[in-house]
Amino acid sequence: GENVEQHPSTLSVQEGDSAVIKCTYSDSASNYFPWYKQELGKRPQLIIDIRSNVGEKKDQRIAVTLNKTAKHFSLHITETQPEDSAVYFCAAAGGTSYGKLTFGQGTILTVHP
Amino acid sequence: ETGVTQSPTHLIKTRGQQVTLRCSSQSGHNTVSWYQQALGQGPQFIFQYYREEENGRGNFPPRFSGLQFPNYSSELNVNALELDDSALYLCASSSIQGGPQHFGDGTRLSIL
Repeated sequence: GENVEQHPSTLSVQEGDSAVIKCTYSDSASNYFPWYKQELGKRPQLIIDIRSNVGEKKDQRIAVTLNKTAKHFSLHITETQPEDSAVYFCAAAGGTSYGKLTFGQGTILTVHP
Repeated sequence: ETGVTQSPTHLIKTRGQQVTLRCSSQSGHNTVSWYQQALGQGPQFIFQYYREEENGRGNFPPRFSGLQFPNYSSELNVNALELDDSALYLCASSSIQGGPQHFGDGTRLSIL
């Protein structure tokens, strides 16, 4: 089955800096890669997603890049703000696990004012 | 547009008991997936329902079962509860199979 590795497990940045979180996946048939933000005690919130026919997608301060050959994808947050502090999860789905999201272990992002 | 709603928000059970958790999908969504999230970990896929049938299952024993109703709402049933079943149970719905999944607030289940 699919296996998703996420790094780093914790990330601390100063307000205004950029943050990058990286994930690798094992199933070359996976074709859908969402990112979720989960604040303490709240639901995971879909913040951006990308499909395997696209190499990069951007939404304001957030961007995701995908390298299918290397089987890794990354979340980029620019001009970080304290409200970006949360746990971020990457996930992968598709191929034989159509509809089943396999999540990474999560990254605790802390943005210091 | 109504989002995904789950009930109850919290539940305390003892080992060996049975529990039923409920989920109403977001308006217009016909696919429901259930996930278990242990403290400090990412959600783990339990199973997905589409058109009232199980459509994919993760690595969970048969004592985890579910249902989907004609209005696309869903139930997760867990029998013979074990201490390790203590977790946040999340429901997610999507408008199509393989589409973006939107989560509810979850049910926090504690097993004593």
